[in-house]
Amino acid sequence: GQSLEQPSEVTAVEGAIVQINCTYQTSGFYGLSWYQQHDGGAPTFLSYNGLDGLEETGRFSSFLSRSDSYGYLLLQELQMKDSASYFCLLYNQGGKLIFGQGTELSVKP
Amino acid sequence: DVKVTQSSRYLVKRTGEKVFLECVQDMDHENMFWYRQDPGLGLRLIYFSYDVKMKEKGDIPEGYSVSREKKERFSLILESASTNQTSMYLCASTPGRRGPYNEQFFGPGTRLTVL
Repeated sequence: GQSLEQPSEVTAVEGAIVQINCTYQTSGFYGLSWYQQHDGGAPTFLSYNGLDGLEETGRFSSFLSRSDSYGYLLLQELQMKDSASYFCLLYNQGGKLIFGQGTELSVKP
Repeated sequence: DVKVTQSSRYLVKRTGEKVFLECVQDMDHENMFWYRQDPGLGLRLIYFSYDVKMKEKGDIPEGYSVSREKKERFSLILESASTNQTSMYLCASTPGRRGPYNEQFFGPGTRLTVL
């Protein structure tokens, strides 16, 4: 089958670095995206990896390794406003969208 | 900025009612999607459309239908609402012809309660 696995919850303190992993079981896909969703809000796009390696966008980076079947979102210099749900999204070559169940990040002072 | 709007933020309906959820995007995007989001299950695709009058079933189309008469508008219809359709419904759009999708632009969501 095709699935994406993420941890359900992660807790970190302000100023720290946190990594949210997304492991997948699928063959043949175009890329992996990450979205942020604050409670009650619309998901917003953070990052996309079409190729293996690291993509950096300010405090947020995303990484993909096709050989290891996983990707991750890295959040640096954590701020309280980063408390939100983060989910990964994979686009397979059949045109199917596969979502992770989301990781609830809590940033503590 | 791309703007995706949904007709209601909160909606309460009774079992058996016909329910219309509307989504409008203002960036001339070809592709539009309807999802539902439930705790612990993530987003699940109900239907999507890659052109006017075109529609394709997603992962959970049962109990739903859609309509896309104009490029900017994508409607989700619950023919006879049931309590298990109580959920958050999210609309999204992306540019480009059918193919791999990059950034999805989401609407604010409609929280539907069916009593």
